[in-house]
Amino acid sequence: AQSVTQPDIHITVSEGASLELRCNYSYGATPYLFWYVQSPGQGLQLLLKYFSGDTLVQGIKGFEAEFKRSQSSFNLRKPSVHWSDAAEYFCAVGPMNTGFQKLVFGTGTRLLVSP
Amino acid sequence: NAGVTQTPKFRVLKTGQSMTLLCAQDMNHEYMYWYRQDPGMGLRLIHYSVGEGTTAKGEVPDGYNVSRLKKQNFLLGLESAAPSQTSVYFCATMIPGLADIKNEQFFGPGTRLTVL
Repeated sequence: AQSVTQPDIHITVSEGASLELRCNYSYGATPYLFWYVQSPGQGLQLLLKYFSGDTLVQGIKGFEAEFKRSQSSFNLRKPSVHWSDAAEYFCAVGPMNTGFQKLVFGTGTRLLVSP
Repeated sequence: NAGVTQTPKFRVLKTGQSMTLLCAQDMNHEYMYWYRQDPGMGLRLIHYSVGEGTTAKGEVPDGYNVSRLKKQNFLLGLESAAPSQTSVYFCATMIPGLADIKNEQFFGPGTRLTVL
């Protein structure tokens, strides 16, 4: 079965510092990959997605992610974190063998931003 | 455009009571989903629908029923609520396919349900 692992439950980063959130997936082929962000009390918003092609994907709010097939990873990065980035981040996989119908989500990483 | 809306935003039930959560979308998306979100467990798929009149079970369907009588609405029902169903429920929609904007799920704001 497909699965997504986000090994960090919480991460604290100083404002202005760089950020990397880890995501590993388990799947036999190249899946569709997504990062979503959830602000407190809100629904999920798509940050970026990878379907094919260039393995470095740019998203909204200055985020980027790199797909590494050899490591089954899709880590999210931002060069300089802002206080407004404090939120929960979810990595998701869309297995191709379901016809893209369903996503499998990781358990999330909560980002705290310190002054 | 309202996007994806969920009704109600909050609800408190007693064990054994029933209720229906409504998800409405004005984006004409074919696919609709119901998830539950619990601390430390991410989002888990309850049921989904790939079109009007069709529904399918997700990862955690027990205790829930759904209906998609109209393309724009997806109802989630709890026939006899249990404390284990205390959660935040999210609805999502999607256009399937390979184009750039497709395969992205759009989420509603959520419904916080407490079962006492």
